Amino acid sequence: DGGITQSPKYLFRKEGQNVTLSCEQNLNHDAMYWYRQDPGQGLRLIYYSQIVNDFQKGDIAEGYSVSREKKESFPLTVTSAQKNPTAFYLCASSIGREGSAFFGQGTRLTVV
Amino acid sequence: KQEVTQIPAALSVPEGENLVLNCSFTDSAIYNLQWFRQDPGKGLTSLLLIQSSQREQTSGRLNASLDKSSGRSTLYIAASQPGDSATYLCAVRPLTSGTYKYIFGTGTRLKVLA
Repeated sequence: DGGITQSPKYLFRKEGQNVTLSCEQNLNHDAMYWYRQDPGQGLRLIYYSQIVNDFQKGDIAEGYSVSREKKESFPLTVTSAQKNPTAFYLCASSIGREGSAFFGQGTRLTVV
Repeated sequence: KQEVTQIPAALSVPEGENLVLNCSFTDSAIYNLQWFRQDPGKGLTSLLLIQSSQREQTSGRLNASLDKSSGRSTLYIAASQPGDSATYLCAVRPLTSGTYKYIFGTGTRLKVLA
């Protein structure tokens, strides 16, 4: 089955820790995205990548980092510099600008 | 700066009713617009994608229209069912050189009562 897989589904982070959220796609899409969703707010773009080895900051990139070493994978690291990381994180991909965006099932990150 | 608004924020209707969800955007320079559905605690499911050159798209009981000049899109759901209960999001892709990103509205939370 083609699709986007995010793992883990739930993640707990202690204060001061870095954590990495995984996103893998087998749709052969060039573009991948990370969004953050908070209650009562729309999805906000953290980072996006249009090709391998290239990525761009979105609207709320501070405290996050990404890599795009393979076309299929776009992991997101939430660093200790992110002061309010508790949120629902969604990864997406698209074939390009003209194609539909497809989303994973999300990772819920909680600071404990 | 492009902004996307969805009104109402929440909607409750009896089963069988036809309904319209609204999406408005401030800048008509868009590449396309996509409607999504989100169930609680889940990711987004793509419903319909409308390119800027198109006026509407249909899939089953769903019909989405786009009026770029007025900055509006509507999602029409025919003969609503309890299974349609979810949050519906629209997103626009700005016509900005080299940018693939989507800008999302905050969604309409729909409840269809049996």
